[in-house]
Amino acid sequence: IAGITQAPTSQILAAGRRMTLRCTQDMRHNAMYWYRQDLGLGLRLIHYSNTAGTTGKGEVPDGYSVSRANTDDFPLTLASAVPSQTSVYFCASSAADSSGNEQFFGPGTRLTVL
Amino acid sequence: GQNIDQPTEMTATEGAIVQINCTYQTSGFNGLFWYQQHAGEAPTFLSYNVLDGLEEKGRFSSFLSRSKGYSYLLLKELQMKDSASYLCAVIDSNYQLIWGAGTKLIIKP
Repeated sequence: IAGITQAPTSQILAAGRRMTLRCTQDMRHNAMYWYRQDLGLGLRLIHYSNTAGTTGKGEVPDGYSVSRANTDDFPLTLASAVPSQTSVYFCASSAADSSGNEQFFGPGTRLTVL
Repeated sequence: GQNIDQPTEMTATEGAIVQINCTYQTSGFNGLFWYQQHAGEAPTFLSYNVLDGLEEKGRFSSFLSRSKGYSYLLLKELQMKDSASYLCAVIDSNYQLIWGAGTKLIIKP
């Protein structure tokens, strides 16, 4: 693994189903983030984690949950998917919090909820 | 509320210079990033400004004026591969990144 990876690359999901998007980084970064990106809108922060064992809510956390059991992994779960969660999801990591530390992004997961 | 404004789309000619502006109104300021994002790909880091002035990095430069809540990204000697979206993001007082919607730059031969 080099950098930050996400799985799956894309997914079509029926409304009401549960889905976990996976994110793994091998850079030993403390901070990790989940964003969604929708056409015409900026990246919006869903949840973040400043260090293993801690998580926080971003701008649009409703309908999503995260966990940070270790440094490398930061899965995002949609408990019961709805069509408005159709989006491209990016996971990112940085050495520390956002203060001056660039964020490195995974390749993204394109999710369609029908 | 927090707001970051960038032009939605710009067009420039190969070999020319283009300036992409970003104005922001945020609760506090702890730095500003510019990222490049090619279509269908992830954003990648271009520059970081925390003090007023110009930061130059090869063909790309970024300027910041904190008193005006203003930044620009300057791209020189444009190449076709520079066709991409350029994202401005500000670190607010809670050390969270607030992202602009991005500027789609189209380069014509």
